[in-house]
Amino acid sequence: TQLLEQSPQFLSIQEGENLTVYCNSSSVFSSLQWYRQEPGEGPVLLVTVVTGGEVKKLKRLTFQFGDARKDSSLHITAAQPGDTGLYLCAGDGAGGTSYGKLTFGQGTILTVHP
Amino acid sequence: DTGVSQDPRHKITKRGQNVTFRCDPISEHNRLYWYRQTLGQGPEFLTYFQNEAQLEKSRLLSDRFSAERPKGSFSTLEIQRTEQGDSAMYLCASSQIAAGEQYFGPGTRLTVT
Repeated sequence: TQLLEQSPQFLSIQEGENLTVYCNSSSVFSSLQWYRQEPGEGPVLLVTVVTGGEVKKLKRLTFQFGDARKDSSLHITAAQPGDTGLYLCAGDGAGGTSYGKLTFGQGTILTVHP
Repeated sequence: DTGVSQDPRHKITKRGQNVTFRCDPISEHNRLYWYRQTLGQGPEFLTYFQNEAQLEKSRLLSDRFSAERPKGSFSTLEIQRTEQGDSAMYLCASSQIAAGEQYFGPGTRLTVT
């Protein structure tokens, strides 16, 4: 059973379109991190959200943490080919587990066509 | 300011051989983590260290796997008697504090033939 469900698993869009990736769980997390990973490389941290209802913006990327700290979303505005990659959400401290033991979703593979 | 480094980046080995990977965390980061990632999946937690103490190991870490962080700096992950199912990307991450943001290395891609 996947503790963190990401959707969609695959996303193929044209340059300039908007998109949203969802990360859902039945567990409460103390924090949630979003990463972007390119083939053959390690994940690169994009943002950490900690407070329920929190919204963080990073240029064209907007991250939300659900009020109950069980879900999160990543919204990209006017996607560019450079946004192509695997997007991963990872929750920390689920259900009282020890901090630092990240639980990852299965990832969303985003392809942005020029 | 250097990030997390891992060595080697790629390793091809025959079934039954032993392999060892090294991870150098960001300096002054007390926490060091190992994850495993198979194709099409997100990383899965294997184990972590607080300084030199190994505090938790996943059920995924069979007896053939052992990890050390002898001086609280770099860490090694050894897999004995490798099996084809061990083929994966092995990722190392470090953080400054227990609940801190984790920064990942580039990974070691292991292929067992």
